[in-house]
Amino acid sequence: DTEVTQTPKHLVMGMTNKKSLKCEQHMGHRAMYWYKQKAKKPPELMFVYSYEKLSINESVPSRFSPECPNSSLLNLHLHALQPEDSALYLCASSQDEGGSGYTFGSGTRLTVV
Amino acid sequence: GENVEQHPSTLSVQEGDSAVIKCTYSDSASNYFPWYKQELGKGPQLIIDIRSNVGEKKDQRIAVTLNKTAKHFSLHITETQPEDSAVYFCAAPSGGSYIPTFGRGTSLIVHP
Repeated sequence: DTEVTQTPKHLVMGMTNKKSLKCEQHMGHRAMYWYKQKAKKPPELMFVYSYEKLSINESVPSRFSPECPNSSLLNLHLHALQPEDSALYLCASSQDEGGSGYTFGSGTRLTVV
Repeated sequence: GENVEQHPSTLSVQEGDSAVIKCTYSDSASNYFPWYKQELGKGPQLIIDIRSNVGEKKDQRIAVTLNKTAKHFSLHITETQPEDSAVYFCAAPSGGSYIPTFGRGTSLIVHP
């Protein structure tokens, strides 16, 4: 299995809703990432997990809450989002945190209404 | 942090032509340079990478060259095909954190 699987593919949520994005990989990768991508822009790093521990939080607002239940799973919990949070949310993984290419999932297209 | 500049932002070529995309970086300690291809509705896909101890790497129609002195690296695609149409991102990690900074992307359009 050489894939990163993200669910759901599309999500529409209201500003008072709570929802979660899920990411799964079975490549034995020990680093996992959340990125946010706006249209016609490069991916923007949000969080890095290394060996199931949060190692980087790029000053992301607390309405985004990451969780790594085990080495294969990564969640992103969403609460009280704003319309400007609408974007493509990408999960990625790599062998470890240093010096190797990432495998990206296809992303969750999030729309906040 | 790392500053990665990517040019051009858009590249339009005829099928069969070559395409070259160039990136420059600022951190001389950077040692790993990947290229990603992102098709519409998909996540970026790693297509080729190069480490700082090598000057060039090829994989069929794709090649990457690295000039460490000038701090730039380039993606070369030969015999382009319509399915090469996508957005291409370069990336370069800063020596301290290994986390890559992405270039702004190049939209490659290959006309049949």
